Amino acid sequence: AQSVAQPEDQVNVAEGNPLTVKCTYSVSGNPYLFWYVQYPNRGLQFLLKYITGDNLVKGSYGFEAEFNKSQTSFHLKKPSALVSDSALYFCAVRNTGGFKTIFGAGTRLFVKA
Amino acid sequence: DAGVIQSPRHEVTEMGQEVTLRCKPISGHNSLFWYRQTMMRGLELLIYFNNNVPIDDSGMPEDRFSAKMPNASFSTLKIQPSEPRDSAVYFCASSFDAGRGLDQPQHFGDGTRLSIL
Repeated sequence: AQSVAQPEDQVNVAEGNPLTVKCTYSVSGNPYLFWYVQYPNRGLQFLLKYITGDNLVKGSYGFEAEFNKSQTSFHLKKPSALVSDSALYFCAVRNTGGFKTIFGAGTRLFVKA
Repeated sequence: DAGVIQSPRHEVTEMGQEVTLRCKPISGHNSLFWYRQTMMRGLELLIYFNNNVPIDDSGMPEDRFSAKMPNASFSTLKIQPSEPRDSAVYFCASSFDAGRGLDQPQHFGDGTRLSIL
């Protein structure tokens, strides 16, 4: 069965500092991995995805994520956080050949000025 | 290009009333998803359509919930009769499934915030 774990309910970081939002997954076969962001009163917005290839993927708004197969992780990172990055972040996984995307519980990111 | 459009954005109604939520997916997308988001349960997939056909409705909570997709540009989620525990934010999402690799992200609407009194 597929599952996604986001071990931190909340991440606090100062503006200008690097940020990491953690995600681990469990899936049979090769995974498709996604990060989405949700701002208040809005739907989820796609940030980036890993399908195959380079383990470091770059996405929107300066975000990137590192796929680690041995640790079954897909952590979201940004070198320098902005106050406007404060939002709810979701990791999601889908196995190849499947249609169902499993979303994590979400991690709330607070960036303090 | 317009995104996924949901209506209404907010709905407040009394228990027992019928509620209909509407969704217009992105033109050209052939997959449509209905989700429900609550604090307690997070984001739950209710039903998935591909090429207007319901593929998996195992997430629909009970028979009070029904969904239709009469054509590629419109879908509805209906709750009849509604109950207070149905209060949540309901999202519609669409994507393009090329058939070979289901690696396309989903595009979400801004949701309908439903309150059942």
